[in-house]
Order: sequence, then structure tokens, then C-alpha cells
Amino acid sequence: DAMVIQNPRYQVTQFGKPVTLSCSQTLNHNVMYWYQQKSSQAPKLLFHYYDKDFNNEADTPDNFQSRRPNTSFCFLDIRSPGLGDAAMYLCATSLIATGLKNIQYFGAGTRLSVL
Amino acid sequence: GQQLNQSPQSMFIQEGEDVSMNCTSSSIFNTWLWYKQDPGEGPVLLIALYKAGELTSNGRLTAQFGITRKDSFLNISASIPSDVGIYFCAGRGYQAGTALIFGKGTTLSVSS
Repeated sequence: DAMVIQNPRYQVTQFGKPVTLSCSQTLNHNVMYWYQQKSSQAPKLLFHYYDKDFNNEADTPDNFQSRRPNTSFCFLDIRSPGLGDAAMYLCATSLIATGLKNIQYFGAGTRLSVL
Repeated sequence: GQQLNQSPQSMFIQEGEDVSMNCTSSSIFNTWLWYKQDPGEGPVLLIALYKAGELTSNGRLTAQFGITRKDSFLNISASIPSDVGIYFCAGRGYQAGTALIFGKGTTLSVSS
């Protein structure tokens, strides 16, 4: 059974039209991450939540926001998607944020297309 | 900042052949992880390594945490068509709060 679930798997939006991607987890992990992955590249960390504490990466554009209303759910909001934001968006979770046992488990991803 | 070099970038092999790929970092890591990503899917954890010199197997896969703590390799023995995909190494340094760093991936193609 999937433990990190991303919805939808495919999302098409229009240039400039806000879009929200969803992630839920059944692992009861403390940390949830959002990555952006473009074709043939490594996942790029956008931000993560450690419980309710939000940690933004320095180079994440302001266009990307996140919400974590509870332990199980985390959302990625793209306020004004540009053509360059078309990518696979991966959600991951880990029990803790640091230390040896910080293994991240990934969802299947949401493929975002921007028209 | 920390950098992680993964090689080779891609491999084309025949079914049944053994495969080896590796990652090196510019600084010491305390964790090495190896993931496989199938097309259109998220990365799936294959092997986790926590100690210098550690050698761990998962079926036909074997990975080692280098003695210098700056490298790791992944071997796949007797490859099969379903081994096709992108393999990512990922590691973390000792500094508190450091994020997981990913290699750029090795794309494996297997012909039968």
C-alpha cells in the first residue's frame, strides 16, 4: 500500500493560473519535503516542514508556497505558474530531519504541465 | 557547498551483465542512500548505508560506504530488463541540519 500519496498524478494548468498539489502520508512522519525534478535531473529540494516549522531553501522562488495543516497532509501552491515550472513535483517524508536514520520516502510524483 | 558527482551518466548493457556505478562527494558524508526511479514515478529506496566500510546487499544489488566517507558504489549483478531506470545516490554530511544531496543520476538501459 502506498505510504506517501500524491494527487493528482498529472496536472495541467494555464500560464499564471494558481495550482495546488497535494501530498498525504500514512507513516506519521515528522518531516515532509517538496522537490522539483526536471527531465533527466536530480530532485531539487524546494522546502520542508519539520512538524509545523517551515524551512525554505534559499533559492526557492517566492512563487512557490507550502501549507501543512496537519501531520498527514502537505500542499504545494504555485501562485503564478510559468512555463519553466513545468516539472515533476515529488513529495517525500522522513521520521526525523537530521541524523543517521533520516531516510526519505517518496511519493509517485505529480507531473505538472503549464500551457 | 557540498557537491556530489555520480558516474557514469548513462549505461547501455546486455541482459545478464553486471553493472557498477559510483558517487563521490567533496566532503565527508555520514549517510549514503541509493534510490531507483522508474519513468513517471518517484524514487524508491534501494539501500541505505550508515558506516564507513559498510557493505550491504539487497537481492542482486550491493552497495558500499567508502572507507574515506567520501564515496559509495552500487553494483547490480546479472542485470535483467526490469533494472532499467535512473539510479540516484544521495548523501548527507555531518553538519547539523544539512539536507540530503542527490547525485545527477545514472540512466541504465538493458537490452535483452
